[in-house]
Amino acid sequence: DIQMTQSPSSLSASVGDRVTITCQASQDITNHLNWYQQKPGKAPKVLIYDASNLETGVPSRFSGSGSGTDFTLTISSLQPEDSATYYCQQFDILLTWTFGQGTKVEIK
Amino acid sequence: EVQLVQSGAEVKKPGESLKISCKGSGYSFTNYWIGWVRQMPGKGLEWMGIIYPGDSDTRYTPSFQGQVTISADKSISTAFLKWSSLKASDTAMYYCATPSSGSVLDAFDVWGQGTMVTVSS
Repeated sequence: DIQMTQSPSSLSASVGDRVTITCQASQDITNHLNWYQQKPGKAPKVLIYDASNLETGVPSRFSGSGSGTDFTLTISSLQPEDSATYYCQQFDILLTWTFGQGTKVEIK
Repeated sequence: EVQLVQSGAEVKKPGESLKISCKGSGYSFTNYWIGWVRQMPGKGLEWMGIIYPGDSDTRYTPSFQGQVTISADKSISTAFLKWSSLKASDTAMYYCATPSSGSVLDAFDVWGQGTMVTVSS
């Protein structure tokens, strides 16, 4: 099974800061990597699909990069409404999906 | 609009059986894979498995194989998640999800509202 290692597990940053979350796969997953945002009591929401494509309606301050085993989610200028938990998710052609452990982002 | 609506919260005792549902609308239910995700209280997301309602092709994440049964009824556009004997550790929020594009390799961008299952004696 492919394992996903996400870091950090939590972070605290100020409004306007640049925030970076990383996700490492245990083997090459090409670009089969999505990023989700989850707010308390809500279902997850897709932010980035196929590693670097911005989902329709998602603010442009969110971006994704990477391929192979190393991936990054960047929030270029953190906003108060970005307080949430973020998850990476890999998928493969055997139709198995795995989430990272999550990163809780708090606003200072 | 592609939409998934899940059944309501459940409170059960250990050893009891349970089947929760996820009803799709606004798309061709038969042709879209539906996945199930567990979120234990205060914890992260765990992918449980996925089903293709058209032919009931089902894939389980290894840790959930044998613990739950995923099924679908095309006639009522509904997917199900079933336990034959609940444990306290099954207490969690359960979500269903599907890709609005219809492609299984696309992000699962449509989610149900979640079903909270509480197992307690």
